Amino acid sequence: GEDVEQSLFLSVREGDSSVINCTYTDSSSTYLYWYKQEPGAGLQLLTYIFSNMDMKQDQRLTVLLNKKDKHLSLRIADTQTGDSAIYFCAESTKGRRALTFGSGTRLQVQP
Amino acid sequence: DADVTQTPRNRITKTGKRIMLECSQTKGHDRMYWYRQDPGLGLRLIYYSFDVKDINKGEISDGYSVSRQAQAKFSLSLESAIPNQTALYFCATSDPKLAEMNTGELFFGEGSRLTVL
Repeated sequence: GEDVEQSLFLSVREGDSSVINCTYTDSSSTYLYWYKQEPGAGLQLLTYIFSNMDMKQDQRLTVLLNKKDKHLSLRIADTQTGDSAIYFCAESTKGRRALTFGSGTRLQVQP
Repeated sequence: DADVTQTPRNRITKTGKRIMLECSQTKGHDRMYWYRQDPGLGLRLIYYSFDVKDINKGEISDGYSVSRQAQAKFSLSLESAIPNQTALYFCATSDPKLAEMNTGELFFGEGSRLTVL
């Protein structure tokens, strides 16, 4: 079945760049997403990328998609303490009725 | 007020008890979902519903049931709770137009933390 994998933890210093990685197995994925979960809250969509794109940039966020290797990454420039959260990668496929989520990467930003 | 509201936010119960988690939404979305979050396992889909007459099992539906009482309400029941159902439960909704376009944005409630002793 479909599988989405992420490393569980990342620690960076404030002001550095963070790179969170994700791999997926479904070659027919149409959209790939990054959701953010702040402490005590539900998940919120951070950004998404369509599968025919290689890159998407939105202010401090850069999403890179390598469809050949089924690898997705989220780069956060100038990471701030407010970026500390769990980041979930997710994917959807046309015809499948729900998203598949990864295990989440906990980002810890050290002051 | 939150667009997706879950009650209760926290619940401690004992093995064998029946528990209901409720979700209501004011977004007018047709599609509603129940997910379970466990540390290191991410979110796993329990049940989902695309309209009032539509109920579908997700990947981990055993031990759970759902009821879609109205477009805005989707409740999750544990008929006889067991300790390995201790988890954080999330309700989510999506917009059918967005879903058909496959942009797939889900709107989540704040979660219901359930502890089964």
